Amino acid sequence: GAVVSQHPSWVICKSGTSVKIECRSLDFQATTMFWYRQFPKQSLMLMATSNEGSKATYEQGVEKDKFLINHASLTLSTLTVTSAHPEDSSFYICRAGTSGRPSSEYNEQFFGPGTRLTVL
Amino acid sequence: SQQGEEDPQALSIQEGENATMNCSYKTSINNLQWYRQNSGRGLVHLILIRSNEREKHSGRLRVTLDTSKKSSSLLITASRAADTASYFCATVTNTNAGKSTFGDGTTLTVKP
Repeated sequence: GAVVSQHPSWVICKSGTSVKIECRSLDFQATTMFWYRQFPKQSLMLMATSNEGSKATYEQGVEKDKFLINHASLTLSTLTVTSAHPEDSSFYICRAGTSGRPSSEYNEQFFGPGTRLTVL
Repeated sequence: SQQGEEDPQALSIQEGENATMNCSYKTSINNLQWYRQNSGRGLVHLILIRSNEREKHSGRLRVTLDTSKKSSSLLITASRAADTASYFCATVTNTNAGKSTFGDGTTLTVKP
């Protein structure tokens, strides 16, 4: 079945540094990537949606200049947390979607295993 | 606000009992999915139910969907201590390549 990988699985960085998280679809073309953030004991909050080759669409309240999303190919999307601060510490999860299918065939949306970011 | 809302927020039961979690949502959906998440770990997809389906089974899991009430339920039968986790429902809409939003989750504790 389809597999989505994320790298790194965890990262610890100093405040002010930038961190890049990669999300790869391993055996299918992900025309759409969704990025989520999950704070401890909370649900997943959608941050942004990106379509391959297009600019990402950010959810309300998410700073696009702070969370840079690149979706340059059908198998890779990256999320860069710029000038990270302790409040950015969270669990970041990507989800790969395959558009172009009939609406009745939205299959299980595949999630990456997540990246735990800790900003000191 | 989140599309889905789970109820209850927390549930504690004894091993062997059944656990029922409910999810309500607000807009029309293409499908609804239930996920499980162990503490500090990623998501595990449990089951997907499409908008034209009313009930699905998978092992000890039973999911129902009532589109008229915009609600779904997840039943775990004969629970085990290993079922202890957080459970989320996620709704997928027809637009934007299946954008989905998550409910707040139900934290299930199964006591041995």
